[in-house]
Amino acid sequence: EAGVVQSPRYKIIEKKQPVAFWCNPISGHNTLYWYLQNLGQGPELLIRYENEEAVDDSQLPKDRFSAERLKGVDSTLKIQPAELGDSAVYLCASSLAGWDEQFFGPGTRLTVL
Amino acid sequence: AQSVTQLGSHVSVSEGALVLLRCNYSSSVPPYLFWYVQYPNQGLQLLLKYTSAATLVKGINGFEAEFKKSETSFHLTKPSAHMSDAAEYFCAVSTPGGTSYGKLTFGQGTILTVHP
Repeated sequence: EAGVVQSPRYKIIEKKQPVAFWCNPISGHNTLYWYLQNLGQGPELLIRYENEEAVDDSQLPKDRFSAERLKGVDSTLKIQPAELGDSAVYLCASSLAGWDEQFFGPGTRLTVL
Repeated sequence: AQSVTQLGSHVSVSEGALVLLRCNYSSSVPPYLFWYVQYPNQGLQLLLKYTSAATLVKGINGFEAEFKKSETSFHLTKPSAHMSDAAEYFCAVSTPGGTSYGKLTFGQGTILTVHP
């Protein structure tokens, strides 16, 4: 069974540029999460989807970050414009339901110059 | 509100020695507790979880953890370290039920180094 797929794995951009990350969850998993992991810290939840509905986006900086999961399957996280402080690893995870084990993808490492 | 504190950002042990990684939590309701491992450039992998059944939880790769309510702790142990255990370990808490069910709050992580 394929795990959570994320692309790209690495991205280097200049500040003020836009960037997008893509996540394909495990087949059949209704719940999808985006986490931010700064260097030397644990992941922090940005947004959680139940199917196509964002049920918890309280930690998403909505002035520059946006996310979508249009058909309740794969998801895209966007930053526009990127700032130096956005350099981090962006992790996607999925679970069968909100209370089930979360399976993590390998992450996208973003470097903003 | 829920939070996790991992004592010690770095732990170093010799191969074959006991591994002890400390985790204390704070939660207003009975929590679910988790330990994840992260190898370089990889995502997090679940080692074990406590969901209010047995207080001593056994996980993969010989790891186990004991839930101690009186101490609000969930320390991770392994009797004999192996070189392949070198990685970063994260303790996490979630609260079952309510609007934040399933939301994981992670600790800062502990990097485990294993010496030959």
